[in-house]
Amino acid sequence: NAGVTQTPKFRVLKTGQSMTLLCAQDMNHEYMYWYRQDPGMGLRLIHYSVGEGTTAKGEVPDGYNVSRLKKQNFLLGLESAAPSQTSVYFCASSPTGGGQGLAGNTGELFFGEGSRLTVL
Amino acid sequence: RKEVEQDPGPFNVPEGATVAFNCTYSNSASQSFFWYRQDCRKEPKLLMSVYSSGNEDGRFTAQLNRASQYISLLIRDSKLSDSATYLCAGMDTGRRALTFGSGTRLQVQP
Repeated sequence: NAGVTQTPKFRVLKTGQSMTLLCAQDMNHEYMYWYRQDPGMGLRLIHYSVGEGTTAKGEVPDGYNVSRLKKQNFLLGLESAAPSQTSVYFCASSPTGGGQGLAGNTGELFFGEGSRLTVL
Repeated sequence: RKEVEQDPGPFNVPEGATVAFNCTYSNSASQSFFWYRQDCRKEPKLLMSVYSSGNEDGRFTAQLNRASQYISLLIRDSKLSDSATYLCAGMDTGRRALTFGSGTRLQVQP
């Protein structure tokens, strides 16, 4: 059972280049998220999706775009990378979006292993 | 003010010690809270969820105080393997997403 898979795991970009991070989950979860984690800042929500075909802005959406054309995939795009986007990016999925669900469902977020992006 | 705030630490404790972390939240509408554990350069993993007043799982106890808007995590009989960063999170009811604190680093020493 793969859970949440992120590709690529590492990437170095030059300022102005574009790239796409792919997140795939095999748990049939409705909710998917992209967070970034910087030293001392914790996890900050970039964009999220509450179901196939839907996306919404999180706390720090500027400079990023997302798409959720298939329920199992959530793509994060950087159109013109900047050094400030150097970070570790985590994708996550959840069956209930953090809320308490049915018995046995903790409402937790399941995270991918992270993608380390460096923009020079 | 951040929605979820934690003392960054580090907390350096000897093996066998009891250690407690607090986390305060500003969104009084939050209904669900979580403690995640994150090892160095790894993804966060759920440690405990807290929906009512508290939850206990072995050496770990989480408590929720809605009146004072804080969540605590108590670790008894600390092990070397407990060394990690502990992230507090509250549910953002508007977005159906979790808002995380910056994390508290714990180092258990032999």
